[in-house]
Amino acid sequence: GQNIDQPTEMTATEGAIVQINCTYQTSGFNGLFWYQQHAGEAPTFLSYNVLDGLEEKGRFSSFLSRSKGYSYLLLKELQMKDSASYLCAVNMNRDDKIIFGKGTRLHILP
Amino acid sequence: NAGVMQNPRHLVRRRGQEARLRCSPMKGHSHVYWYRQLPEEGLKFMVYLQKENIIDESGMPKERFSAEFPKEGPSILRIQQVVRGDSAAYFCASSPLRGSTDTQYFGPGTRLTVL
Repeated sequence: GQNIDQPTEMTATEGAIVQINCTYQTSGFNGLFWYQQHAGEAPTFLSYNVLDGLEEKGRFSSFLSRSKGYSYLLLKELQMKDSASYLCAVNMNRDDKIIFGKGTRLHILP
Repeated sequence: NAGVMQNPRHLVRRRGQEARLRCSPMKGHSHVYWYRQLPEEGLKFMVYLQKENIIDESGMPKERFSAEFPKEGPSILRIQQVVRGDSAAYFCASSPLRGSTDTQYFGPGTRLTVL
């Protein structure tokens, strides 16, 4: 079966840095997504990693190691509006079928 | 350029009724995906459609659920004889090309409540 693991909840302080880890075991792999989802809203795209390494996009960075089945999302200079769920998702095949993890609920404290 | 549109945003049905959820993809997108999100759960893939074709329905329950994406008009996810366990948020996403690295763009979702 397909398995994507990420922590259920994390807490961090405004202005700090937080790293959300994701490990996966899937029968296919084309790339890995990170989405942000505020409560009651649709997921919004943050990043898509295909190759190993770190990709930086403003305050958010995403890392991928295909050989280890591992990714992380790094959020810097945390703001209260970053309180949300962060979904790790694997693109399994060329048809863009995406398998989602259960999400990590991030709480930001003032 | 309007985003992915879903309606209704909220739908209440009694057990045994039918629910019809609509999704209009972004302009120029011909691929539609439906996901279900139960409370405190991740998004679960249900079905992937192109115009007039079901490409992958491996996530669809075998009974009571069906989906279509006609040549004209929105994609429809239909749930017959709803039960309480069908209460969830149903998200539609669209993408422009098969096998592209473009991400899927999500609609705002339809929240189905079965009484």
